[in-house]
Amino acid sequence: DGGITQSPKYLFRKEGQNVTLSCEQNLNHDAMYWYRQDPGQGLRLIYYSQIVNDFQKGDIAEGYSVSREKKESFPLTVTSAQKNPTAFYLCATSTRSTQETQYFGPGTRLLVL
Amino acid sequence: DQQVKQNSPSLSVQEGRISILNCDYTNSMFDYFLWYKKYPAEGPTFLISISSIKDKNEDGRFTVFLNKSAKHLSLHIVPSQPGDSAVYFCAASKSNFGNEKLTFGTGTRLTIIP
Repeated sequence: DGGITQSPKYLFRKEGQNVTLSCEQNLNHDAMYWYRQDPGQGLRLIYYSQIVNDFQKGDIAEGYSVSREKKESFPLTVTSAQKNPTAFYLCATSTRSTQETQYFGPGTRLLVL
Repeated sequence: DQQVKQNSPSLSVQEGRISILNCDYTNSMFDYFLWYKKYPAEGPTFLISISSIKDKNEDGRFTVFLNKSAKHLSLHIVPSQPGDSAVYFCAASKSNFGNEKLTFGTGTRLTIIP
């Protein structure tokens, strides 16, 4: 069953703690992206990766880190430096040939305790 | 600086009528535009797109119109159905191989009234 998997669906973080959000895809897509959605705002790009072992900062990368060791996986770590981490996080993928069209996973809601 | 703007945060339309969602952009380098539909607590799903070489693209009940001179695009849904109730995001891209990024608008919540 092809698709994009994000886990967990809900994640709680304590103050000062790093947490990692998982994104896995079996679509064989080259590019992967992380977005953040806040109420009343559009999706804002955190990081993206066009190819394995390479990634670039998006518009709001501060307080986040990523890795792309495998084509299928693009985990996002929300570090303690991110002062306002409560949001809905969305992972997306795209192919090289239709890179303008991105396909999204179901999302992870991160809440700070 | 909001480069893609959806000035109507919400829209209510009677079932069976036409829904028209609007989007404006400021960056003349954008040459590919997309509409996404999003239900609460789910990821957006791709709906329809249009390249700047066209001014209209149609897919079933959904049609996107692009007016490049006005830097404006719109999504028409006809006839509107209850399942169309969702948040709709407009997005734009500068096609530059190896550096494609999507810039999203803030979304319009569409409610279809039975």
